[in-house]
Amino acid sequence: KTQVEQSPQSLVVRQGENCVLQCNYSVTPDNHLRWFKQDTGKGLVSLTVLVHENDKTSNGRYSATLDKDAKHSTLHITATLLDDTATYICVVGDRGSALGRLHFGAGTQLIVIP
Amino acid sequence: DMKVTQMPRYLIKRMGENVLLECGQDMSHETMYWYRQDPGLGLQLIYISYDVDSNSEGDIPKGYRVSRKKREHFSLILDSAKTNQTSVYFCASSSRTGNYAEQFFGPGTRLTVL
Repeated sequence: KTQVEQSPQSLVVRQGENCVLQCNYSVTPDNHLRWFKQDTGKGLVSLTVLVHENDKTSNGRYSATLDKDAKHSTLHITATLLDDTATYICVVGDRGSALGRLHFGAGTQLIVIP
Repeated sequence: DMKVTQMPRYLIKRMGENVLLECGQDMSHETMYWYRQDPGLGLQLIYISYDVDSNSEGDIPKGYRVSRKKREHFSLILDSAKTNQTSVYFCASSSRTGNYAEQFFGPGTRLTVL
């Protein structure tokens, strides 16, 4: 049973527009949530990690929120660039150490067009 | 420069042949992982290695085995490959003392089994 659901599955936006990606999960315990960016044919690169209830993080044009009560996270990308074209993957960790397990979403494929 | 490398990047094999995928990391991380990524699914954990000769099955270990004789190298072996093992394989590493179990990913190996 999929424990991390991402929406939308895919999204096309014009360069300069903003977009919001959603992640809902049922993983318990939910120690932390991390967003990764995966360029086509490449590995996953961490964008941000959220740990606490109602956490908010910001990393340049990327910002993220976490609502642990609702088991929900959002990733906002502001003023998109062509280089933002990628798959964005939501990952929930059940522990804070390397002994824990990570639960991966299937990803949202974002395409930014000129 | 923190890096996880994978060799080869692309591989085509016939059903029944043996396959060796290699992974290396230069961060002295104790823990290393092998995942596979299939379309529409999140990454699935095949094996974890907690250190040299200390390996554990992940969620989908059937048909795979691993070897870790040096901390910086982790190999995935498919004895008698099957067509349903066609996938993209990712290696990752993390430190026991790292930031919320952050995993660093290699670029992936695309394996096709004919």
